[in-house]
Amino acid sequence: NAGVTQTPKFQVLKTGQSMTLQCAQDMNHEYMSWYRQDPGMGLRLIHYSVGAGITDQGEVPNGYNVSRSTTEDFPLRLLSAAPSQTSVYFCASSYPGTSDINEQFFGPGTRLTVL
Amino acid sequence: AQKITQTQPGMFVQEKEAVTLDCTYDTSDQSYGLFWYKQPSSGEMIFLIYQGSYDEQNATEGRYSLNFQKARKSANLVISASQLGDSAMYFCAMREGLDDKIIFGKGTRLHILP
Repeated sequence: NAGVTQTPKFQVLKTGQSMTLQCAQDMNHEYMSWYRQDPGMGLRLIHYSVGAGITDQGEVPNGYNVSRSTTEDFPLRLLSAAPSQTSVYFCASSYPGTSDINEQFFGPGTRLTVL
Repeated sequence: AQKITQTQPGMFVQEKEAVTLDCTYDTSDQSYGLFWYKQPSSGEMIFLIYQGSYDEQNATEGRYSLNFQKARKSANLVISASQLGDSAMYFCAMREGLDDKIIFGKGTRLHILP
């Protein structure tokens, strides 16, 4: 198993550009989520999904879109990048809360800089 | 109001001593789960331990144990016999409610001194 994969590892954007951060998992997890990590702020939940076709907003959803057309993939879209979106982005996946397996698996992260 | 509060931004501990990292949480749900993760300087997130709200015994995983005090809404991580490799950021997180979302605290940076 590859686990949770994220691409790209690094990205530099100009203000106003759009891009998609890719996230995929091969563990058949129903739950997937996106976090951003900023110094002193911990990990903040952007969007999450409890299954294909179902997404919901987290703590800091503004400026980001998601979709979940398959169990495996959960891309994060920045429609018009802003310097405030400079951050490290983590994708994570897990079984639902009713499962006996409770670990949330994380991808390696994408370091995004918006100039 | 913060769902997960970690009051210690940073801690310095002598090698081989035990360490307690504080975490308090806020929820009105009866069913929830609490996690601890370690993030070394390399940046990856490493799962350490999990405690379910209905678990009557404190969770343990090797040198890690979770001191779960439900009435106080406290889920402190205890690391016994600390090692230099324990130097890292530590995050407490909670999964609550039917929507399953997982929220993190701001973290505690732990420094183990030789």
